[in-house]
Amino acid sequence: QQQVKQSPQSLIVQKGGISIINCAYENTAFDYFPWYQQFPGKGPALLIAIRPDVSEKKEGRFTISFNKSAKQFSLHIMDSQPGDSATYFCAASKETSGSRLTFGEGTQLTVNP
Amino acid sequence: DGGITQSPKYLFRKEGQNVTLSCEQNLNHDAMYWYRQDPGQGLRLIYYSQIVNDFQKGDIAEGYSVSREKKESFPLTVTSAQKNPTAFYLCASISWISGNTIYFGEGSWLTVV
Repeated sequence: QQQVKQSPQSLIVQKGGISIINCAYENTAFDYFPWYQQFPGKGPALLIAIRPDVSEKKEGRFTISFNKSAKQFSLHIMDSQPGDSATYFCAASKETSGSRLTFGEGTQLTVNP
Repeated sequence: DGGITQSPKYLFRKEGQNVTLSCEQNLNHDAMYWYRQDPGQGLRLIYYSQIVNDFQKGDIAEGYSVSREKKESFPLTVTSAQKNPTAFYLCASISWISGNTIYFGEGSWLTVV
């Protein structure tokens, strides 16, 4: 059963533009929502994460927006750069020992120069 | 440097053969995971282990086996029973002390020839 749905599957943005990736979850017990960035042939790396006690978290050009009532969260990449071209995964879990991360299906982002 | 080491990076398997992918971590992490990634798809959990000498099946465990004899090591065997083993395999680990941040290795490419 797919518990985290991610969209779009692929995204093309011009340099300097805003990239927006959306995720929706079903399990209301989830309380930890990270985003991972993966370059070709590499393992994913944590980019930014949010907990449901805040509606937004910003780190540099990357921002997570969180809507608890809608059970949705999104990643915004401001001033997108060609170096941001990668696959992005959202994930969700319960922040307790022993919990498992459930990943979205990924979004392949291409930033054109 | 601390991290997760996967080997080999590339592996070719003949039909009917078992192969073992190595995963070693020196992060003193408690839990370790194996994920499978197919092109254009997300991460699917194969097996995970929260403590030494204990492991649980993930979502796609059929045709795979694991062991956890040491905290640092979590090898994955892809058996001949796995009918479509060609994929990118990712090992990961997590320390409950530092929250739910999951760290990934660089991955291993397995191809059936």
